[in-house]
Amino acid sequence: AQKITQTQPGMFVQEKEAVTLDCTYDTSDPSYGLFWYKQPSSGEMIFLIYQGSYDQQNATEGRYSLNFQKARKSANLVISASQLGDSAMYFCAMRDLTETSGSRLTFGEGTQLTVNP
Amino acid sequence: DTEVTQTPKHLVMGMTNKKSLKCEQHMGHRAMYWYKQKAKKPPELMFVYSYEKLSINESVPSRFSPECPNSSLLNLHLHALQPEDSALYLCASSQDRGSRVAQYFGPGTRLLVL
Repeated sequence: AQKITQTQPGMFVQEKEAVTLDCTYDTSDPSYGLFWYKQPSSGEMIFLIYQGSYDQQNATEGRYSLNFQKARKSANLVISASQLGDSAMYFCAMRDLTETSGSRLTFGEGTQLTVNP
Repeated sequence: DTEVTQTPKHLVMGMTNKKSLKCEQHMGHRAMYWYKQKAKKPPELMFVYSYEKLSINESVPSRFSPECPNSSLLNLHLHALQPEDSALYLCASSQDRGSRVAQYFGPGTRLLVL
């Protein structure tokens, strides 16, 4: 069974600073994908970034980067130059890439990020 | 166009009502999903459709009935719901296969059952 752990229920950061949101995972599958989603108070889940278990380099998407440490089973999200609009709930999720149909995601409990002006 | 749309945005219904939630995507995705999300919690998977066939049902009560009329549309029919079914209902879609398959979510329907 897969498990995602996000140990930070809430995080605060000053505008323009960088912040790291922690995510650790547990799986026995050799092939998996890791995702981060942002959910503002409006409710929509917004896909941010993806890291595959066999990817050699850490994923980056604009101000988002993923600090992937496979041996430690961690996939932390780094947001650089925080903006007020980054205030939201952030979910780490995992997908078993050996599934043959659809893509079942296992979510962590989430981290509520607040960016202060 | 990476948009998934859901209607209605808000829904209030009594326990004896019948209503439907609708979801639409035009990204050519062949997998579609329904999730239920309670406040401050992660989404819980309810159903997965793959190529218009139900592939996963996470032991959801029969008062929730999914339907996939075609590859772009996904419905969730609601009947005789309970107050504990009040939640945000999210629809998502994704490519069915591939290593970098990400799910794209709609804005959700906020359901209140009285």
